[in-house]
Amino acid sequence: DTGVSQNPRHKITKRGQNVTFRCDPISEHNRLYWYRQTLGQGPEFLTYFQNEAQLEKSRLLSDRFSAERPKGSFSTLEIQRTEQGDSAMYLCASSYFRGTEAFFGQGTRLTVV
Amino acid sequence: QQQVKQSPQSLIVQKGGISIINCAYENTAFDYFPWYQQFPGKGPALLIAIRPDVSEKKEGRFTISFNKSAKQFSLHIMDSQPGDSATYFCAASMSVSGGSNYKLTFGKGTLLTVNP
Repeated sequence: DTGVSQNPRHKITKRGQNVTFRCDPISEHNRLYWYRQTLGQGPEFLTYFQNEAQLEKSRLLSDRFSAERPKGSFSTLEIQRTEQGDSAMYLCASSYFRGTEAFFGQGTRLTVV
Repeated sequence: QQQVKQSPQSLIVQKGGISIINCAYENTAFDYFPWYQQFPGKGPALLIAIRPDVSEKKEGRFTISFNKSAKQFSLHIMDSQPGDSATYFCAASMSVSGGSNYKLTFGKGTLLTVNP
């Protein structure tokens, strides 16, 4: 399968713990995006990378959130000191630099208890 | 501030009927308007997209109608099928230097149910 791959698919964690999600984009896609989707809402933009450079971060991305894309390949999203309000589906997408179509992964569903 | 407003929240249509979902945007800098389809437990998948230089785009049973002056666009699903039952999101983005679009601003979604 050459689509966007996200791991894990589900994560249950206790409040205050740190969690890390991984996204493997479609190979050769220069751009990688993270979105957050809560129940009954559309995805909300968090951040995006062009190759290894993080070019924009939404104000939704508090200082407890950090994203990396070493070597411009896979990306990780870490949430420190999780809060119940962090419970959501975290979606990763990738696209070519000149492309308009963003391909989404299946997401990681985070539940903070 | 919600930049893309979508309606209705939910829609029930009989098999063979026409499903219509509407979106309105505020930012006139938006220049790319895609529609995404999402099934439970899956990520959104691009269905069809339009740019503001055309007023309509059709792909199979799916048509986007675009009204630039009203800042509105809509998705029409002809001959709706039970397999079309999903959540549909409209979205918008704008070009950056270099002419490429990147981040998407989504509507809140419409849950479509097509009864057999």
